Amino acid sequence: KQEVTQIPAALSVPEGENLVLNCSFTDSAIYNLQWFRQDPGKGLTSLLLIQSSQREQTSGRLNASLDKSSGRSTLYIAASQPGDSATYLCAVRRGRGAQKLVFGQGTRLTINP
Amino acid sequence: DTEVTQTPKHLVMGMTNKKSLKCEQHMGHRAMYWYKQKAKKPPELMFVYSYEKLSINESVPSRFSPECPNSSLLNLHLHALQPEDSALYLCASSPAWTGTYEQYFGPGTRLTVT
Repeated sequence: KQEVTQIPAALSVPEGENLVLNCSFTDSAIYNLQWFRQDPGKGLTSLLLIQSSQREQTSGRLNASLDKSSGRSTLYIAASQPGDSATYLCAVRRGRGAQKLVFGQGTRLTINP
Repeated sequence: DTEVTQTPKHLVMGMTNKKSLKCEQHMGHRAMYWYKQKAKKPPELMFVYSYEKLSINESVPSRFSPECPNSSLLNLHLHALQPEDSALYLCASSPAWTGTYEQYFGPGTRLTVT
């Protein structure tokens, strides 16, 4: 059974710092991995999706990497801003066409001005 | 247009009421999902519709009844709910059998059962 873990559960850093959020999964047989952002009481916003054949994806100040063999993904946020404060969730998809996402518990990020 | 819309934004209902949640997307996605999310927890999958047919029911109590009247619409009918059903209900959509299957989420309906 696939399990997804995100450490730390919460992180607080000063504005301007570069930071890394971690996601690990127990079964390396994944199709892809998706990073989401969720603001309090709101829906999930898809940030980046990495296919199993890819090593990384970039969007603006965000960079997500994937090491499938070791069961790890990281989300790198450069030059953090207070507006980046949110909960970040990673989720893995087992196979092509698989409709279930297995979510981690999330990392609650606070950027202090 | 990558938007999934949900109505209403907030809903308060008594345990004897019947209400419905609505979700709509116009991205041409043929898979649509209902999730339930409690505070400080990740979303839990409830139902999946693929090509307007129910493909996954995660052993959800029958007081929740999903409906997919067409490829753009998804409803969740609620009846005789319990206070513990209070949560954020999220709808999502994705391509059903092509590409990355990237899921797009709506803003959610905050449900309170009194």
